[in-house]
Amino acid sequence: GENVEQHPSTLSVQEGDSAVIKCTYSDSASNYFPWYKQELGKRPQLIIDIRSNVGEKKDQRIAVTLNKTAKHFSLHITETQPEDSAVYFCAASSGNTGNQFYFGTGTSLTVIP
Amino acid sequence: DVKVTQSSRYLVKRTGEKVFLECVQDMDHENMFWYRQDPGLGLRLIYFSYDVKMKEKGDIPEGYSVSREKKERFSLILESASTNQTSMYLCASSLLTSGKETQYFGPGTRLLVL
Repeated sequence: GENVEQHPSTLSVQEGDSAVIKCTYSDSASNYFPWYKQELGKRPQLIIDIRSNVGEKKDQRIAVTLNKTAKHFSLHITETQPEDSAVYFCAASSGNTGNQFYFGTGTSLTVIP
Repeated sequence: DVKVTQSSRYLVKRTGEKVFLECVQDMDHENMFWYRQDPGLGLRLIYFSYDVKMKEKGDIPEGYSVSREKKERFSLILESASTNQTSMYLCASSLLTSGKETQYFGPGTRLLVL
């Protein structure tokens, strides 16, 4: 089955700097890659996603890039703010039975004011 | 707006007890999922269901069972709770339709097994 690896596990940045989180996947059939943000004590929520027919997608300060050949995708957060502090999870899905997601192990991002 | 609710936010049980965790979604989603979340291990899929009375094993089904008698409700059952099942349990739901597969999560149930 699919294997998703996520790095780094923890990341600290100064407010205003950029943060990058990287994920790799193993199944070339995966075609949907969502990113979830989980604030302390809250549920994971989708912040951005990308499909395999697109190389990059942006939404204000966040962007995701996908390299299908190398089987990796990354989350980029620019001009980080303290409210960006959270755990971020990447996932991959091939749309097979039940649209099962395979999640990375998470990155704990701390933005230092 | 999608709403996924879970029956309890916190639960304390004793070893050997039978534990029921319930999840309800109000958006007519076909797919429902149960994950457990542990530090450093991310979200691991226990079971999922893509239709009423249908279930599929995820990556860590041992020690768990599920029930889906109605489309909106998906229950996770710990037949005989053990201390290694102390964890955060998250339910999620999504549409079956390709292109609309975003999973929406419930608030989680933090289970402590003593």
